[in-house]
Amino acid sequence: QSVLTQPPSVSAAPGQKVTISCSGSSSNIGKHYVSWYQQLPGTAPKLLIYDNSERPSGIPDRFSGSKSGTSATLGITGLQTGDEADYYCGTWDSSLSAGVFGGGTKLTVL
Amino acid sequence: EVQLLESGGGLVQPGGSLRLSCAASGFTFGNYAMSWVRQAPGKGLEWVSAISDSGSNIYYAASVKGRFTISRDNSKNTLYLQMNSLRAEDTAVYYCAKFTSITGKYFDYWGQGTLVTVSS
Repeated sequence: QSVLTQPPSVSAAPGQKVTISCSGSSSNIGKHYVSWYQQLPGTAPKLLIYDNSERPSGIPDRFSGSKSGTSATLGITGLQTGDEADYYCGTWDSSLSAGVFGGGTKLTVL
Repeated sequence: EVQLLESGGGLVQPGGSLRLSCAASGFTFGNYAMSWVRQAPGKGLEWVSAISDSGSNIYYAASVKGRFTISRDNSKNTLYLQMNSLRAEDTAVYYCAKFTSITGKYFDYWGQGTLVTVSS
């Protein structure tokens, strides 16, 4: 059971928009910045979003992040088949003094 | 270019030990915290441990505390994970990750991972 809660799967058609939610608590998302990671099949995770809404160099602006209270959201617009991957949210938990991840969300681009 | 190269994975019997290494290049290793994250087959990411730039601050997940030891050698640009009393549930791909904690705490670069299999 992951500390952060994500939907197991989401799907949308090419060109459409999708959002992935990440729910936590006051000791993790409520207190710390959130990051998002993309894991393409058979590869290592890759940083997509940091500090709730910042994109590393090279990440297209089709990817966006936001946070409100104890929840965060990843948005992806203009979906492409190459976006099919597992997406994870992550943050720090002050009560656990530990890093925490969501269980991951599998994105299918129909 | 930042590169993280893990090694040391393999097959080990329950109760056994293994030491993972992560060779870093492309950045000033001694200026950054580092972390280990694992992924069991077909499962999600699980944070394992983190160590500050100097090695003075160390954190562990409850699932590995008392069995795993993280360390680093800044003169060799290398991160380590000593894993003792291994269990079947420790079977996973272990990723080394550069851990940035200026504002938020996040993993900005990841290695390709090394597979640890605990089985008799």
